[in-house]
Amino acid sequence: AQKVTQAQTEISVVEKEDVTLDCVYETRDTTYYLFWYKQPPSGELVFLIRRNSFDEQNEISGRYSWNFQKSTSSFNFTITASQVVDSAVYFCALTTPNTDKLIFGTGTRLQVFP
Amino acid sequence: AAGVIQSPRHLIKEKRETATLKCYPIPRHDTVYWYQQGPGQDPQFLISFYEKMQSDKGSIPDRFSAQQFSDYHSELNMSSLELGDSALYFCASSLVSSGRGVYNEQFFGPGTRLTVL
Repeated sequence: AQKVTQAQTEISVVEKEDVTLDCVYETRDTTYYLFWYKQPPSGELVFLIRRNSFDEQNEISGRYSWNFQKSTSSFNFTITASQVVDSAVYFCALTTPNTDKLIFGTGTRLQVFP
Repeated sequence: AAGVIQSPRHLIKEKRETATLKCYPIPRHDTVYWYQQGPGQDPQFLISFYEKMQSDKGSIPDRFSAQQFSDYHSELNMSSLELGDSALYFCASSLVSSGRGVYNEQFFGPGTRLTVL
């Protein structure tokens, strides 16, 4: 069975703090894809990153960075120097080549206070 | 760049009524996906179509049906609406070069918010 766990339901930080959102996944497939999406209060799903199972390189994009570790089945997301505009629900998701389905975690609501 | 278009953006229906949601994929995309996101929940996959044929099926109720047309747009038809159908419905599209087996990015539309009273 495939599963994505985001244990942190809600995180509150003050602006300029760094924050890490955790994601743990389960799959028996050797080929799989991991994603992070942002859902601001307006409701749309904003794609942030995709990582495939063969690429364990960490990635940095501006204030965002991702740490993919197959040994712990984790794909954590860090926001450096958080801003109020980062306030949103963040979803980690998983899919495999034999399905069209994106399996989402339950999401982490991030609130950044000024 | 063109994005996925969903219409309507908001829809209010009464219980037992029917509703039709429309999705217009990004030009040249051949695959559409439908997801349902209940209040405070994560999106749940409903169904997908590749080249007008059903490609994969998730937790779509029997009261719902969907299809993809020759111009690649898709419609999700919901009948005998229930209060629990109130949700945000997302459509996504992708260009699948060789069908299932190769992952291609799913680009999400803005969603249709359905409220059933």
